[in-house]
Amino acid sequence: DAGVTQSPTHLIKTRGQQVTLRCSPISGHKSVSWYQQVLGQGPQFIFQYYEKEERGRGNFPDRFSARQFPNYSSELNVNALLLGDSALYLCASRPQGSGANVLTFGAGSRLTVL
Amino acid sequence: GEDVEQSLFLSVREGDSSVINCTYTDSSSTYLYWYKQEPGAGLQLLTYIFSNMDMKQDQRLTVLLNKKDKHLSLRIADTQTGDSAIYFCAETGYSSASKIIFGSGTRLSIRP
Repeated sequence: DAGVTQSPTHLIKTRGQQVTLRCSPISGHKSVSWYQQVLGQGPQFIFQYYEKEERGRGNFPDRFSARQFPNYSSELNVNALLLGDSALYLCASRPQGSGANVLTFGAGSRLTVL
Repeated sequence: GEDVEQSLFLSVREGDSSVINCTYTDSSSTYLYWYKQEPGAGLQLLTYIFSNMDMKQDQRLTVLLNKKDKHLSLRIADTQTGDSAIYFCAETGYSSASKIIFGSGTRLSIRP
């Protein structure tokens, strides 16, 4: 079975541009979360989506937005990119009803903003 | 607020045991996790413990939880070169299933 897949794996943008990152969860997983990991730090929670609805949002500006599609895949959009947005963006999925509350992470999309 | 703290570096000799420590502040934590991240890779869940447990053992890994002191540790027995990585302590509270709070990570290096 495929794990959590993310695309693109690497991308370079310039300040002020917009970026869209994509995530496909594990088959059967309906919940998707996004995390930002800046170099040298732990991941920071950005969003959680379940059944196409936002269920949680971290302390990120409105430039960050996301959505979940009927097939449970998800996109993360970041507008007006800043240098500080350079990071590894991680997507994670979990099965609903899992008592263990276990997330499976993808390998991430590494964004560099110049 | 919620916070997870861990030391930044640990160096151990190959074959010795590694102990990585972590403290957290959220008294409502329900699950506590240890994740491993190798260079250029995503996060791999190593093990987790429910907050009503004191200890969990899984092959070479032993997790100890002191809920009173809000202290979590990960012991890796017989440390090997393949254990070189960054280890993240993390916790999640009752109110949000997917919001995991991560520490800054402990970089484990192995000496021959």
